[in-house]
Amino acid sequence: EGPLVETGGGLIQSGGSLRLSCAVSGFSVSDNYMNWVRQAPGKGLEWISVIHGAGTTYYADSVEGRFIVSRDTSKNTLYLQMDSLRPEDTAVYYCTREARPYGDYLDYWGQGALVTVSS
Amino acid sequence: QSVLTQPPSVSGAPGQTVTISCTGSSSNIGTGTGYGVHWYQQLPGTAPKLLIYNNNNRPSGVPDRFSGAKSDTSASLAITGLQAEDEADYYCQSYDSSLSGFVFGAGTKVTVL
Repeated sequence: EGPLVETGGGLIQSGGSLRLSCAVSGFSVSDNYMNWVRQAPGKGLEWISVIHGAGTTYYADSVEGRFIVSRDTSKNTLYLQMDSLRPEDTAVYYCTREARPYGDYLDYWGQGALVTVSS
Repeated sequence: QSVLTQPPSVSGAPGQTVTISCTGSSSNIGTGTGYGVHWYQQLPGTAPKLLIYNNNNRPSGVPDRFSGAKSDTSASLAITGLQAEDEADYYCQSYDSSLSGFVFGAGTKVTVL
């Protein structure tokens, strides 16, 4: 296993909620910018959220108001709470680490968690 | 529709060179922003892997057959000496100041003939 391991994916009905977890090893989740990126089946990559080391969060318009990113420093774990899920949220969700201060790129990726939203 | 524009596919015979373009704008790749362009390789059924960072740097373990360049609002990824194992999807990525987040290209599928 790598330094990022996502869990919590599954099948959920439209309008439901799901929480993804990303267990981090080898570095501190609170000392890094942590991002969530998703990939719909057969589609490209879409950035959806970030939590900065100081705790500031940002979201893509497509999930703003429905998704919340958070972290538990005692468990060194990142979370993505997803509410009011829609069929178009069906995707593999990747937990990633941003390589700051060296650059605005993603140097570590988890294996991904599949979320399927049925209508 | 992706903020960064890539060709859907490119192909080449083993040993040849293929180039993938990535076109952005003044709010992301543009010279004045200072944001870098980065490239990821995604093999079938796996998570993306960092291939090129900060325009033209390779992480440890990435063969020097892969190289990147950036000019104005465009960037490119070149694969020289194409090999069968290079068949994958390739994505460019930058940061966009107007969106306050990362942006990706739609991806380019490289096929080795």
